[in-house]
Amino acid sequence: EAQVTQNPRYLITVTGKKLTVTCSQNMNHEYMSWYRQDPGLGLRQIYYSMNVEVTDKGDVPEGYKVSRKEKRNFPLILESPSPNQTSLYFCASSLKDGRSNQPQHFGDGTRLSIL
Amino acid sequence: SQKIEQNSEALNIQEGKTATLTCNYTNYSPAYLQWYRQDPGRGPVFLLLIRENEKEKRKERLKVTFDTTLKQSLFHITASQPADSATYLCAPLGDDKIIFGKGTRLHILP
Repeated sequence: EAQVTQNPRYLITVTGKKLTVTCSQNMNHEYMSWYRQDPGLGLRQIYYSMNVEVTDKGDVPEGYKVSRKEKRNFPLILESPSPNQTSLYFCASSLKDGRSNQPQHFGDGTRLSIL
Repeated sequence: SQKIEQNSEALNIQEGKTATLTCNYTNYSPAYLQWYRQDPGRGPVFLLLIRENEKEKRKERLKVTFDTTLKQSLFHITASQPADSATYLCAPLGDDKIIFGKGTRLHILP
């Protein structure tokens, strides 16, 4: 089954404790992306990757890191999480790049709470 | 900077009527525009894509229009059903970044 898998689905942690949210897709998609979704602010892009070893900042990259060492995986790293990063996070992938006519496939989301 | 506006935070429509949602954008010229549906706590699901040279696209009860002069897309659901209740997001695609509108919550009343 074609899917984007995020882990964990839920995480409660404390300020400053490094964490990684994993994202994996099995569709051989070039483009992968991370979003956060907050009430009243909608879905905002954090980082995206056009292909292996190619990443770029979205609209809200501060406080986050990503890497794309393999085509299928695109982890999101919070080196020193802070409470303002409490949010619902989505990973997505699509064929080719953002200008392509291919739709994005989203994961089921990761709800992060930073205390 | 690029800006996307979707009409009203919530739209209540009687079952069986046509629901029309609006997406307006400014400060860029997207080559494509996508519409997604999102249910509470779930990731968005792709519905339709329309290209800048297409005026209208249909899929079953869904219809999307794209007016590049007005910088606007309209999303219609005909013969609406309670199961259509969800948040609908538009995403005009102009470059490698992807920007979503904040979405319109649609409630179809039985």
